[in-house]
Amino acid sequence: GQQLNQSPQSMFIQEGEDVSMNCTSSSIFNTWLWYKQEPGEGPVLLIALYKAGELTSNGRLTAQFGITRKDSFLNISASIPSDVGIYFCAGQLRGTSYGKLTFGQGTILTVHP
Amino acid sequence: GAVVSQHPSRVICKSGTSVKIECRSLDFQATTMFWYRQFPKQSLMLMATSNEGSKATYEQGVEKDKFLINHASLTLSTLTVTSAHPEDSSFYICSARVGGTSEQFFGPGTRLTVL
Repeated sequence: GQQLNQSPQSMFIQEGEDVSMNCTSSSIFNTWLWYKQEPGEGPVLLIALYKAGELTSNGRLTAQFGITRKDSFLNISASIPSDVGIYFCAGQLRGTSYGKLTFGQGTILTVHP
Repeated sequence: GAVVSQHPSRVICKSGTSVKIECRSLDFQATTMFWYRQFPKQSLMLMATSNEGSKATYEQGVEKDKFLINHASLTLSTLTVTSAHPEDSSFYICSARVGGTSEQFFGPGTRLTVL
């Protein structure tokens, strides 16, 4: 099936540093979503992107829908310990019905105080 | 808004028994709900798409007779793991789609352990 390549797989950073992660695909997506999942919990929606080139912020988080519609990135500025978790990108492929999403492999973020 | 609940949060059962997991959208109506399975430190694997009032659509490799899905109302979908075996032990997560968008809101998950 279609795949999203998410990188990096994991990150170990110091509190206060900025973080960047991205997802790429060979296919075109109509929607990009970014989720955060903490241990033992379901993913929580952080940002939703609907238009190519769209840049959207949510507090210290910023995400962009790539102009080619085949990629997206998520930046976290001035990281804090509670940013720890697994971040997933998810996209709806062009032509897919009923909102079915394709998920990236996830980026495990560890923040050292 | 867009809150999804799941029950139970954790279940331990004996091999051969059936387990039912409920997924509810609390503050919106969800015509479509999704069921995922997740292994430790891995991504979410879509098992099936559940549409209110119709049969669920299962992903390739998912046994529909083993994972029974019912979506009887716009706020409730259930997943029944029939004749559970230890290899069915996993974290099961449901999500509900907000109508007219691709945004899915997830429940907190159910940890199933089959002894």
